Amino acid sequence: SQTIHQWPATLVQPVGSPLSLECTVEGTSNPNLYWYRQAAGRGLQLLFYSVGIGQISSEVPQNLSASRPQDRQFILSSKKLLLSDSGFYLCAWSRDRVSPLHFGNGTRLTVT
Amino acid sequence: GQNIDQPTEMTATEGAIVQINCTYQTSGFNGLFWYQQHAGEAPTFLSYNVLDGLEEKGRFSSFLSRSKGYSYLLLKELQMKDSASYLCAVSDNTDKLIFGTGTRLQVFP
Repeated sequence: SQTIHQWPATLVQPVGSPLSLECTVEGTSNPNLYWYRQAAGRGLQLLFYSVGIGQISSEVPQNLSASRPQDRQFILSSKKLLLSDSGFYLCAWSRDRVSPLHFGNGTRLTVT
Repeated sequence: GQNIDQPTEMTATEGAIVQINCTYQTSGFNGLFWYQQHAGEAPTFLSYNVLDGLEEKGRFSSFLSRSKGYSYLLLKELQMKDSASYLCAVSDNTDKLIFGTGTRLQVFP
């Protein structure tokens, strides 16, 4: 069966510090991978998605970046965090555009 | 542009039936998904509709009308554990799943 791992679960970082969130998927190959952000009481905002190694599509301009160094690994990064980067970050995978998304447990990021 | 609308909040009583509506306008359509999200947790998949009509899965059913850009999630025999946010999401003509802002449902005894 397929599983998705996302870490860390919670993170408190000062403004201006770097960020690296990692997500890995097991039990499938060539998945579509996604990073979403959910601000408190808000909906899910798509940040990045990837349909293959090295292929990254960005949805919103921001100080975040994503990379897919391996087929089942998706990394979200920032060189300098802003207060507005606080939120609940969710990694997800799917087989294709008509298959359900399966989410990791999420990372709650607080930028202070 | 892409637009998905849902009511922000709904309340219902344990044992009752509740219908959560979703309307959408997207660039292309490859199906509509409903997810459940409990507070502080990740969303979990509930249902998928790509053809018009009703899909039933236990206490939950989901309906789709593509011509109207409309879907609803029907929850029967409500239980306290059904208190959660319900997210409507549409797969457009790319590889993206666009989410609505979600409907927070509170079930009271």
